[in-house]
Amino acid sequence: GAVVSQHPSRVICKSGTSVKIECRSLDFQATTMFWYRQFPKKSLMLMATSNEGSKATYEQGVEKDKFLINHASLTLSTLTVTSAHPEDSSFYICSARPDSEQYFGPGTRLTVT
Amino acid sequence: EDKVVQSPLSLVVHEGDTVTLNCSYEVTNFRSLLWYKQEKKAPTFLFMLTSSGIEKKSGRLSSILDKKELFSILNITATQTGDSAIYLCAVSGGSNYKLTFGKGTLLTVNP
Repeated sequence: GAVVSQHPSRVICKSGTSVKIECRSLDFQATTMFWYRQFPKKSLMLMATSNEGSKATYEQGVEKDKFLINHASLTLSTLTVTSAHPEDSSFYICSARPDSEQYFGPGTRLTVT
Repeated sequence: EDKVVQSPLSLVVHEGDTVTLNCSYEVTNFRSLLWYKQEKKAPTFLFMLTSSGIEKKSGRLSSILDKKELFSILNITATQTGDSAIYLCAVSGGSNYKLTFGKGTLLTVNP
């Protein structure tokens, strides 16, 4: 099946710093990628839809100035958590779809101290 | 607003038992319903259902969709401890195939 990678898999940062997470589709091109967040023992919540060559579409309640998304190529989307705070600590997962089926990256666990 | 409701939220069974997990949904422009298994990391794909009444099977797991009643079930027969996980149901809708997830069912299979 299609492969989606994420980097880094785990990151610890200090409060107030920014963190960039990369999502790559390894064997297909993806004009659309999705970013999800999952808190412990909770389901995945869609944060935003990343569109290649245009602005991302954010879900209600997600601050676009805090979670910057850049989809600069057909195989790469990045999520930057700016001025991170401890409440941003979460599991961030991206997905992409080569067809009607979505494939998830392995996720990035962010811990903000 | 699209909505996916899973039940039960958690379930504890013994090895060898059969379990049925439920998923009901309300979504605009339904495209498909998907089941995922999540252990420690990101979800792994189990099934994608688009048509009513056609059972999909993979080993001890099977799933079926009812588009009239807007629900799906995931069955696991002869459960094993390795089946312990969170099972997520998601519905894909709209022009960009956006997924809406349910809260998941936490399945624990005891030896």
